[in-house]
Amino acid sequence: NAGVTQTPKFQVLKTGQSMTLQCAQDMNHNSMYWYRQDPGMGLRLIYYSASEGTTDKGEVPNGYNVSRLNKREFSLRLESAAPSQTSVYFCASPRGNTEAFFGQGTRLTVV
Amino acid sequence: ILNVEQSPQSLHVQEGDSTNFTCSFPSSNFYALHWYRWETAKSPEALFVMTLNGDEKKKGRISATLNTKEGYSYLYIKGSQPEDSATYLCAFVNDYKLSFGAGTTVTVRA
Repeated sequence: NAGVTQTPKFQVLKTGQSMTLQCAQDMNHNSMYWYRQDPGMGLRLIYYSASEGTTDKGEVPNGYNVSRLNKREFSLRLESAAPSQTSVYFCASPRGNTEAFFGQGTRLTVV
Repeated sequence: ILNVEQSPQSLHVQEGDSTNFTCSFPSSNFYALHWYRWETAKSPEALFVMTLNGDEKKKGRISATLNTKEGYSYLYIKGSQPEDSATYLCAFVNDYKLSFGAGTTVTVRA
């Protein structure tokens, strides 16, 4: 049972380039989340999806878009990367309102 | 933006000593409070899910209490060991959103 699978693990982008972070869960959960983690700031919610077909903004959505492609997959897109988006990104999926399961993280550097 | 605060930001503990730290959260519209343990280069893993005022949870040497009326939770580590070194995150659950505090980083010195 893979749980939450997130790709890629590492990425370096030039300012202005675009990319999509992929996340898939095989636990049949309804909700999926994208967070970014910066030093001293914990995990900040970018976007979340409470169920297939719905997405909502979190705390820091600017510069990002998301797609809930189906129940399994929730992707995060950076249309025009900026150095301020250098961060570690985590996808998570909670079992209802109980514990959340996290992907392995994506370390993104924008130069 | 939900205000979930953890204190202290970091602490150093001598092996064998006990310690505790705090998570404070909004006392209104409470649904659940989670605690996660996050080791360096790994992903956060759930320790406790707490839903009721007065809840006490325990896993080995680690335990947690919950006061939803005043909006705080304590995490306790008894007899700290080097393997307890990690960042401990709390998360407030409300309206499908999981809002995290910045974490308390615990370093246990042998």
